[in-house]
Amino acid sequence: ELKVEQNPLFLSMQEGKNYTIYCNYSTTSDRLYWYRQDPGKSLESLFVLLSNGAVKQEGRLMASLDTKARLSTLHITAAVHDLSATYFCAGLYNFNKFYFGSGTKLNVKP
Amino acid sequence: SQTIHQWPATLVQPVGSPLSLECTVEGTSNPNLYWYRQAAGRGLQLLFYSVGIGQISSEVPQNLSASRPQDRQFILSSKKLLLSDSGFYLCASRTAPSHEQYFGPGTRLTVT
Repeated sequence: ELKVEQNPLFLSMQEGKNYTIYCNYSTTSDRLYWYRQDPGKSLESLFVLLSNGAVKQEGRLMASLDTKARLSTLHITAAVHDLSATYFCAGLYNFNKFYFGSGTKLNVKP
Repeated sequence: SQTIHQWPATLVQPVGSPLSLECTVEGTSNPNLYWYRQAAGRGLQLLFYSVGIGQISSEVPQNLSASRPQDRQFILSSKKLLLSDSGFYLCASRTAPSHEQYFGPGTRLTVT
C-alpha cells in the first residue's frame, strides 16, 4: 500500500502571493498526479508526473517530482481568487491502484 | 477524449435498503475502471478497480460490491446500506497508454 501525505491541509493566502503545497509518499510510486476539486464537484486532472525531475506548468501552477525524496510539490505563483479549491495529490501503485492524499483546501483572499 | 457518466446524481436511501450506482464510459475501449468514495471534507478512498470484464479487485472490506458486466460499464452495489456508506461516490477511467485518470461527475449518497 502507498501512503500519501499532503501538507498543509488548509492554506489561506492573499492574492498575489506565492506558496507551495507538499506531497510526500511512502514507497515507490509509478506516477504522481495532481487534481483540483471545486466544492460539490468532481475532480479535474491538473498534472501527471512520470519520472524523477519532471516539472510541469500550467498558468500559475507548477508541479515537480523528486522520486529520490519521494516528494512532489505544487507551487502557486501570484495567487488569484479563482485558484481557490481543494488540491489533491495521488500516487499510482502497482500500475493499477491510486492512493490519494487528504487534500489541501486553498482559500485565496482578495 | 473519454466521457464518464454516472447516475443517479443524488440519492437518499434509508438504512438497510439496497443500492445500485452505475457508471458508463464513452470514447474509449478496454479502460481500467475505478470506484472511489469521498467522505465529507476528506480525501478519496479507492473501493474497487477493474482491469476487464468480470475482473474486480476490492481494496477495502465493506458491505459494498462491484461488477463489470460490459467493457465500459461499472456498477457499485449493496444489499443493505449502513449510515457509514454516506458519501460522494466517484467513478474513474484510465486507458493505456495514456497516464491520465478521468473522473465522472459523481453520485452523492445520503443514508438516513
